[in-house]
Amino acid sequence: DGGITQSPKYLFRKEGQNVTLSCEQNLNHDAMYWYRQDPGQGLRLIYYSQIVNDFQKGDIAEGYSVSREKKESFPLTVTSAQKNPTAFYLCASQPGQGQETQYFGPGTRLLVL
Amino acid sequence: GNSVTQMEGPVTLSEEAFLTINCTYTATGYPSLFWYVQYPGEGLQLLLKATKADDKGSNKGFEATYRKETTSFHLEKGSVQVSDSAVYFCALSSSGGYQKVTFGTGTKLQVIP
Repeated sequence: DGGITQSPKYLFRKEGQNVTLSCEQNLNHDAMYWYRQDPGQGLRLIYYSQIVNDFQKGDIAEGYSVSREKKESFPLTVTSAQKNPTAFYLCASQPGQGQETQYFGPGTRLLVL
Repeated sequence: GNSVTQMEGPVTLSEEAFLTINCTYTATGYPSLFWYVQYPGEGLQLLLKATKADDKGSNKGFEATYRKETTSFHLEKGSVQVSDSAVYFCALSSSGGYQKVTFGTGTKLQVIP
């Protein structure tokens, strides 16, 4: 079955630690996105990538980093510079230009110890 | 810039009641409009979409009509079920290319038997 997978489902971060959230898709989609979801708020865009080896900052990129070495993978690193990382993180992909529907993974909930 | 405003929740309805969730938008040009649904602990799924004025999107008994004159895309369902309990997000995407999607803050719907 085609889809988007995110792992882990839950992730715990200690103070000063970097953690990496995985996002993989086998839909052959060109574009991939990372969003952060906080209670009572909509989705806020962290980073997005339209093609391999290229990515752009979204609205709240500070304290986060990404890479896009393969078309199917778009991992997100939450660095120690992100002072309030507790949130639900959603990865999404989009087929191509002119195809505006985004397809979402099941999400990763990040908690700080 | 683009923005989406949707009604505050939570909305609590009895089973078989009529549902309306209001959504209005601000955007340049002619955006595409979407409703996404998020069940507890999961990612978002596309519920329906409309790509031009007067289009009606529909799926699973839900409907929404793209009203350019009132910049609205209200979600309706004639008879809700307990299984419809979820958070509903209105969203827009400017036409063409890898445009960023702008999401509303979400409206939580709870349907009681």
